Amino acid sequence: KNEVEQSPQNLTAQEGEFITINCSYSVGISALHWLQQHPGGGIVSLFMLSSGKKKHGRLIATINIQEKHSSLHITASHPRDSAVYICAVPGGGADGLTFGKGTHLIIQP
Amino acid sequence: DADVTQTPRNRITKTGKRIMLECSQTKGHDRMYWYRQDPGLGLRLIYYSFDVKDINKGEISDGYSVSRQAQAKFSLSLESAIPNQTALYFCATSLGRGEAFFGQGTRLTVV
Repeated sequence: KNEVEQSPQNLTAQEGEFITINCSYSVGISALHWLQQHPGGGIVSLFMLSSGKKKHGRLIATINIQEKHSSLHITASHPRDSAVYICAVPGGGADGLTFGKGTHLIIQP
Repeated sequence: DADVTQTPRNRITKTGKRIMLECSQTKGHDRMYWYRQDPGLGLRLIYYSFDVKDINKGEISDGYSVSRQAQAKFSLSLESAIPNQTALYFCATSLGRGEAFFGQGTRLTVV
């Protein structure tokens, strides 16, 4: 089974700061997912990437397949970015995803 | 309307009761999944289905059953609910191993 570790578990920052959330996994994968969960509970897919870098607005995701590591960056952070960010990879043995425990991000005005 | 819809959104039930959580999707995806989320543990896979005739157990299937009534519908049942099944439940879909789309979640409390 793929083990997924995220860091940090909790992060509080000031509005405008550059944010980095890290994810490492133990078994080689075909693609990695970054998800966002708002306080209301719903989960939204941010990125699915298998190599290099992807960018959507102020969000950037990178992945290094050789090092089994991915990062999610938020530029010019805003209070509305406050959420739990979850990294997920294809599970071993069964299909579906194996998830990290999430990074709880709070952006203060 | 949401692409993946879960009902109910919230439910309180008593120990020993049977309860069904329903999920429907309008994305035309073949794969559907049920996950549960517990504080400090992250999401874990309960069951998944590749099509109507294909049902598979996930990591934590004990105490649960599922039914794929149609390509668009995937239901999760707790035959006899117990308090440690109190959790946030998510249905998700994908087209093959593509991007995952999640429902809004069902908050289940077993008292």
